[in-house]
Amino acid sequence: GAGVSQSPRYKVAKRGQDVALRCDPISGHVSLFWYQQALGQGPEFLTYFQNEAQLDKSGLPSDRFFAERPEGSVSTLKIQRTQQEDSAVYLCASSGRAGIWSYEQYFGPGTRLTVT
Amino acid sequence: ELKVEQNPLFLSMQEGKNYTIYCNYSTTSDRLYWYRQDPGKSLESLFVLLSNGAVKQEGRLMASLDTKARLSTLHITAAVHDLSATYFCAVDMEGGSEKLVFGKGTKLTVNP
Repeated sequence: GAGVSQSPRYKVAKRGQDVALRCDPISGHVSLFWYQQALGQGPEFLTYFQNEAQLDKSGLPSDRFFAERPEGSVSTLKIQRTQQEDSAVYLCASSGRAGIWSYEQYFGPGTRLTVT
Repeated sequence: ELKVEQNPLFLSMQEGKNYTIYCNYSTTSDRLYWYRQDPGKSLESLFVLLSNGAVKQEGRLMASLDTKARLSTLHITAAVHDLSATYFCAVDMEGGSEKLVFGKGTKLTVNP
């Protein structure tokens, strides 16, 4: 694919439900990031993978949030027992090809999560 | 903790006018980024500034970086309506951490 893709684009969940958000990075990109963007705010870092290794999860707001990238490609962000404060746009970004260090992050379209 | 502050947060300007958006950050950083975001859309990369004194220009936008002052500017020349969007600056930490820390964004409205 030409860019980062995310699915679903929109998700409405009832409070207490579990959700799973998917990110397909640019083919061959080594690094993958998840950010959370609340309405009217800048994106905030959640977690970062290099290949399948989760190197930084310092931004995950609680233990209800879990991310994985088991084969070093597609990633899933899971939120358990959703709360209203989880309502936000979740952005995925990828960067860097193996053997070619690159810092520029390319963002996907985001998943807008609304918890009712 | 790295903090990034942008000002102004809201900017309404007339077509044809010039203006500057400022981005201050709190600690030493390797790289500074400017992104554009249209309503309901994702982030579009505009500029990556890598060193002190770096200046990049694309069309009516010009970005510069002063690492000693920990300041970047995004200058808009002769604004047109199509530039209406929210502009974010972001930095990453010196030492190789790749995560980005964003400012709150500047919502620019260019009026005819």
